[in-house]
Amino acid sequence: NAGVTQTPKFQVLKTGQSMTLQCAQDMNHNSMYWYRQDPGMGLRLIYYSASEGTTDKGEVPNGYNVSRLNKREFSLRLESAAPSQTSVYFCASSYRSVDEAFFGQGTRLTVV
Amino acid sequence: GQQVMQIPQYQHVQEGEDFTTYCNSSTTLSNIQWYKQRPGGHPVFLIQLVKSGEVKKQKRLTFQFGEAKKNSSLHITATQTTDVGTYFCAGTTGTYKYIFGTGTRLKVLA
Repeated sequence: NAGVTQTPKFQVLKTGQSMTLQCAQDMNHNSMYWYRQDPGMGLRLIYYSASEGTTDKGEVPNGYNVSRLNKREFSLRLESAAPSQTSVYFCASSYRSVDEAFFGQGTRLTVV
Repeated sequence: GQQVMQIPQYQHVQEGEDFTTYCNSSTTLSNIQWYKQRPGGHPVFLIQLVKSGEVKKQKRLTFQFGEAKKNSSLHITATQTTDVGTYFCAGTTGTYKYIFGTGTRLKVLA
């Protein structure tokens, strides 16, 4: 089992460029999440999907959009990247929203 | 909005010493989880606490949920170099989303 797979692992963008971070889980989980991690800030929830077909904003949704493509996949899109979006992005999933979350390996994004 | 704070932010201990990190929420929580993140790695689930006053143990780790369900602690007895990493608590008020604390980075000196 791969668990939670994120692509890409590393990315450098220029300000104003767009990109999509991909996330897929093979554990038949219902809930999926996108977090960003900045030094000294812990993990902050960007968007989450409690179940297939639903998405909701987290703590820091501005500048991002998400798509729950199917039960397995949950993508995060940056429409116009800004230097403030330089961060490590983690995707996570859980069977139910109250259960333990399994995290992907992370995507290190730098916006210059 | 809901806020979860952790103290201390950093802790350096000598191998064999004990370590405690504290988690405090601005609102009453329904559940709290603890995660460990090794340097350069991703968060890994340790435990979940649900009941008021609950205490759970995992070998040298002891987790506690406060009576008012607004605070929690993680205590490690006799730290080892393998305990190095950042420990996060994550709490929910039952709104389908967990808010993570700021984390405590533990360094263990051999």
